[in-house]
Amino acid sequence: QVQLVQSGAEVKKPGSSVRVSCKSSGGTFSSFGINWVRQAPGQGLEWMGGIIPVLGTGNYAQKFQGRVTITADESTSTVYMELSSLTSEDTAVYYCARDHPMVRGFEAFDIWGQGTMVTIS
Amino acid sequence: DIQMTQSPSFVSASIGDRVTITCRASQDISNYLAWYQQKPGKVPKLVIYAASSLQSGVPSRFSGSGSGTVFTLTISPLQPEDFATYYCQQGDSMPPTFGQGTKVEIK
Repeated sequence: QVQLVQSGAEVKKPGSSVRVSCKSSGGTFSSFGINWVRQAPGQGLEWMGGIIPVLGTGNYAQKFQGRVTITADESTSTVYMELSSLTSEDTAVYYCARDHPMVRGFEAFDIWGQGTMVTIS
Repeated sequence: DIQMTQSPSFVSASIGDRVTITCRASQDISNYLAWYQQKPGKVPKLVIYAASSLQSGVPSRFSGSGSGTVFTLTISPLQPEDFATYYCQQGDSMPPTFGQGTKVEIK
């Protein structure tokens, strides 16, 4: 059974960067895309970007272009999301989520990490 | 970006009711539509993918339909554990985008 386990909560200063990790266990890592979705307090879900580890190149939402970098380390089955130039508007829970294996990439996300709270203060 | 609009934003319903949530896309997305359930403080859970395919482990009282620009999620009969917020998401074109959510509350 595939599981995604994320790194712990972070508190960051405005203008700094944060890196959140998402480690996969229990299944094939490289073939399926891993996405990052965030949720500000009391708000909805927002897709930030994703990566297919075997391809190694991230796709990003225009809103975050130049500020977000998603990378994958196949040796440890871990995907990283780094967000820079943080502001208070980046305070949110950040989730990693796997592409559903029965459909094409970015179409549906079937397994989610537990979420990482990032607070900018 | 494709805009996803859900209606209603809130629905108040009783145990045993039939609840229908609608999601409209700003352009044709074929059947590239997913539905998620999220309970307070919990991780989103995939309920429906490809507009009408039930995710493994999800009860059969959940069903999805639609294609093109209008989609529906139906829950019947509503059970106590179904009170949550539901989000639609399009996966037709980049970036994937979500609806604003529909909160299903106890009447």
